[in-house]
Amino acid sequence: AQRVTQPEKLLSVFKGAPVELKCNYSYSGSPELFWYVQYSRQRLQLLLRHISRESIKGFTADLNKGETSFHLKKPFAQEEDSAMYYCALCILLNNNAGNMLTFGGGTRLMVKP
Amino acid sequence: ETGVTQSPTHLIKTRGQQVTLRCSSQSGHNTVSWYQQALGQGPQFIFQYYREEENGRGNFPPRFSGLQFPNYSSELNVNALELDDSALYLCASSPDRGSGYTFGSGTRLTVV
Repeated sequence: AQRVTQPEKLLSVFKGAPVELKCNYSYSGSPELFWYVQYSRQRLQLLLRHISRESIKGFTADLNKGETSFHLKKPFAQEEDSAMYYCALCILLNNNAGNMLTFGGGTRLMVKP
Repeated sequence: ETGVTQSPTHLIKTRGQQVTLRCSSQSGHNTVSWYQQALGQGPQFIFQYYREEENGRGNFPPRFSGLQFPNYSSELNVNALELDDSALYLCASSPDRGSGYTFGSGTRLTVV
């Protein structure tokens, strides 16, 4: 069965320091991975998806199929990056009828001044 | 773009009761999914509806059921509530089955 693991519940860094939020997955099919972010008192929102290969708010994530990882990185953390981050794996439902997201447990990022 | 709205925002129910949670999707979003997020955990997939039919279900018992309506609104119904049903329930919609999802703010259900 598919699974997403985020080993760190909490990651605390100082402003300007590099950030790496870890995500590992297990899935027998071709993975489609996402990072979602939830800022304080706001709804869950899409940060980036591996297919897009884009950088959003300075964050990037590279899919490493060999290590089954999709770590989220930012070279210089900002205080406004403090939030809850969820890694998610999108898989097809039965008979290719649709798709669902399997989420990791989330990592709370705290960026200290 | 009106986004995804959920109601109510908070709800307290007694064990054994039934509850209906509502979601209003963005216009044109034919796919709606419901997720349960227990405290300190990531969201878990309950089921998905596409054009008013259920097309996938996660590991949830039949007492969790849903409906989707032609006006892009949907419902999540839970019968015979249990204490462990206490969680944040999220609705997420998408214009089609292959696109990314827009999430609502959720309904926090407390079962006492």
